[in-house]
Amino acid sequence: DIVMTQSPLSLPVTPGEPASISCRSSQSLLHSTGYNYLDWYLQKPGQSPQLLIYFGSYRASGVPDRFSGGGSGTDFTLKISRVEPEDVGVYYCMQTLQSPVTFGPGTKVDIK
Amino acid sequence: EVQLVEAGGGLVQPGGSLRLSCAASGFTFSSYEMNWVRQPPGKGLEWVSYISRSGTTIYYADSVKGRFTISRDNAKNSLYLQMNSLRAEDTAIYYCASWDDVLTGLYAYDIWGQGTRVTVSS
Repeated sequence: DIVMTQSPLSLPVTPGEPASISCRSSQSLLHSTGYNYLDWYLQKPGQSPQLLIYFGSYRASGVPDRFSGGGSGTDFTLKISRVEPEDVGVYYCMQTLQSPVTFGPGTKVDIK
Repeated sequence: EVQLVEAGGGLVQPGGSLRLSCAASGFTFSSYEMNWVRQPPGKGLEWVSYISRSGTTIYYADSVKGRFTISRDNAKNSLYLQMNSLRAEDTAIYYCASWDDVLTGLYAYDIWGQGTRVTVSS
């Protein structure tokens, strides 16, 4: 199985400031099509997960442009250009290249 | 409105059984691959099982293989998870969900239910 790791696991942030989360996979997630099979999800408190980024760098419908995804192969980053109070929650990376789908452990983002 | 609604969770003793259901509405259920994902209390997400649109292809996590059975009834727009030989470590919120990253047209979607809580305890 592909193992996903994230850092940091906890990230206190100041509203208006940038934030960055790293995700690494034990195997390359770069498909022969040239796309990385890496998604980012946000699970807000008390809610189900919601898709933010797909194919490593494409924003899902309705996701604010302060969120951006980057990286390729085994190293990926989710960036928030200016954190808003509604961005608090747990962020997960997830690989869909191979079955079983696997998630990172999650990064808890909260306000300082 | 696109919606998935889980039901069937509850308290069960170790070794017992539960059957979860997930009712879909607002979209053509038979056209979507479906999954069960669980989240133990205070912990992260764990994929549990997958079923193809027709139900002919099924996958399980090693942790539930041989104990859980996924199925679907496209005529009833419903997804199921039969859980047998339950253990304390199966305690979690169980979500039904569908997602896909689509190359043609370059888009993605995700649909999640609100989850149903399963507690395995004596």
